[in-house]
Amino acid sequence: GQQVMQIPQYQHVQEGEDFTTYCNSSTTLSNIQWYKQRPGGHPVFLIQLVKSGEVKKQKRLTFQFGEAKKNSSLHITATQTTDVGTYFCAGPHTGGFKTIFGAGTRLFVKA
Amino acid sequence: AAGVIQSPRHLIKEKRETATLKCYPIPRHDTVYWYQQGPGQDPQFLISFYEKMQSDKGSIPDRFSAQQFSDYHSELNMSSLELGDSALYFCASSFGDSNYGYTFGSGTRLTVV
Repeated sequence: GQQVMQIPQYQHVQEGEDFTTYCNSSTTLSNIQWYKQRPGGHPVFLIQLVKSGEVKKQKRLTFQFGEAKKNSSLHITATQTTDVGTYFCAGPHTGGFKTIFGAGTRLFVKA
Repeated sequence: AAGVIQSPRHLIKEKRETATLKCYPIPRHDTVYWYQQGPGQDPQFLISFYEKMQSDKGSIPDRFSAQQFSDYHSELNMSSLELGDSALYFCASSFGDSNYGYTFGSGTRLTVV
């Protein structure tokens, strides 16, 4: 079935270092969404990418959608302790109403 | 701004008991989704409703059922609870299909003992 895969599973960084998580779908996606879940919290919608090759920025966060619309990345520049959490990519299931989540990348930031 | 409201926040039940989780979506959102998240896991889709009709079904056990009411709130009914049902249950809502991002509630933490 349709799968959304994410790597790495965990990432430990020193505060100020950069961080990147990668997302790959087994099928072409109409869009890709990114969510952040703080420890003990709920997923919070960050952004949606729709166009092939699209790049969007939110302050220190840069999101990219691949040309083939099957992969995406989230890059955080100069991480801060407030960036701690799990970052999920998610894509719509073909022909359905559900969104399929990747396994998430858990980011740890050491001050 | 109003968010997605879930109740209760925490629930402890014994094996074989029944639990009912409630979700109140953002006003004017017409689609509700239920997800189950185990410890260290990604959210797993259970079921969704669009305009009070079931729109999609995922890995929801037959022991579970859900519905969306005329005021758009939704309830997830879980019977014959098992230890493995212990998890965080999130409700999310959106306007239309999944192309506009979901707003998640704070979740219900269910513990089955």
